[in-house]
Amino acid sequence: SYVVTQPPSVSVAPGQTATFPCVADNIGNKNVKWYQQKPGQAPVLVIYDDSGRPSGIPERFAGSNSGDTATLTISRVEAGDEADYFCQVWHSITDHVIFGGGTKLTVL
Amino acid sequence: EVQLVESGGGLVKPGGSLRLSCVGSGFVFSSHDMTWIRQAPGKGLEWVCTITGSSAFIYYADSVKGRFTVSRDNVRDSFHLQMNGLRADDSAIYYCAGGIKFGDRTFDHWGHGTLVTVSS
Repeated sequence: SYVVTQPPSVSVAPGQTATFPCVADNIGNKNVKWYQQKPGQAPVLVIYDDSGRPSGIPERFAGSNSGDTATLTISRVEAGDEADYFCQVWHSITDHVIFGGGTKLTVL
Repeated sequence: EVQLVESGGGLVKPGGSLRLSCVGSGFVFSSHDMTWIRQAPGKGLEWVCTITGSSAFIYYADSVKGRFTVSRDNVRDSFHLQMNGLRADDSAIYYCAGGIKFGDRTFDHWGHGTLVTVSS
């Protein structure tokens, strides 16, 4: 099975940059999506197709993908960015959707 | 405005059954694959199943295959998850989700979720 790995937590001070790795075998060959989930709320799509940003998502959110690692980067982190962040791919061979375990962002 | 609204969650005993529903509005429902995703308390997101727009293809996670059945009614813009043989580890918030703008496996719209608790 295809496994996608994310670190459980990331902590940054306000105004700094938060980086969220999403690691899987040759993930650079797949389109990666990123979701933000705040407590008690449904997830929200923040990045699609590795680096696309839906309308309403601030430019501070950026994505990249190469080799075995996809990365979500949040610049100039704000307290309101505190949330869980999940990466997701579609494994076309099995037509299964696969989520990473998620990374909790703590803003210090 | 696109909306997805789930219903049908509740408390059920191990081995019991439950049927979840999701009604969509604000988009051409029959043109889009629809997906169930669940989240156990304090845990991450887990894909459950996807049904294509015409119901021609259905995909299940290994953890639910043989116990859960997904179906849809494009006349009523709804799709359903029949859950049989429920176990404690099926307890979760169940979200219906759709990929409306960026492809069917990019979930840009989610329902609010419905809670399923399996306990004796």
